[in-house]
Amino acid sequence: QVLLVQSGAELKKPGASVKVSCKASGYPFTSHPVHWVRQVPGQSLEWMGWINPGNGMTKYSQKFQGRVTMIRDTSTTTVYMELRSLRPEDTSVYYCAKYYGVWESFDFWGQGSLVTVSS
Amino acid sequence: DIVMTQSPLSLPVTVGEPASISCRSSQSLLHSNGFKYLSWYLQKPGKSPQLLIYLSSNRASGVPDRFSGSGSGTDFTLKISRVEAEDVGVYYCMQSLQSPFTFGPGTKVDI
Repeated sequence: QVLLVQSGAELKKPGASVKVSCKASGYPFTSHPVHWVRQVPGQSLEWMGWINPGNGMTKYSQKFQGRVTMIRDTSTTTVYMELRSLRPEDTSVYYCAKYYGVWESFDFWGQGSLVTVSS
Repeated sequence: DIVMTQSPLSLPVTVGEPASISCRSSQSLLHSNGFKYLSWYLQKPGKSPQLLIYLSSNRASGVPDRFSGSGSGTDFTLKISRVEAEDVGVYYCMQSLQSPFTFGPGTKVDI
């Protein structure tokens, strides 16, 4: 079955960086884009960007441009999202989600990774 | 950016009764291929979002047929024909027509 398993919770200080991993299994890894969406606890969902695991091409939301990098490792079928220059307002649950192009929607989601930014 | 709005933001429901959530987009979500790039997700308490409806009106695999979606280019509706206790959570609409993808604020459904 399709699984997206994310790395665990992180506590970071302002100005630091965080790298969240998302290991995919149960489907052809290079055939479907993986997106990142974050959610401040109690609030709505915010799209951050996506990566094409097939060729490594990325597209980021302008809001995060310059602060975010998404990469993939095809040997381990893992996607990574790094966010730099962290601020307290970056405290969120970060989700990876598999995009199914035929349905133009996210058909599977990771379990989420809580990143807390606090001094 | 396309702005998504939802109403109501909170919806008390009764088991066995119907329920309806509206979603509106600031621009048409109708693609040139004829499909409307609007999907619905349910986030149950403490869980990740799960896909309910894609391309405005198609149920995702395993989604009960009490859920249905409809809509025009900018106005969309999610209906639950008979609410069950397991349907509680926050419902989000999302547009995937153009980047950045954007979500509605969510509608909290509780019994």
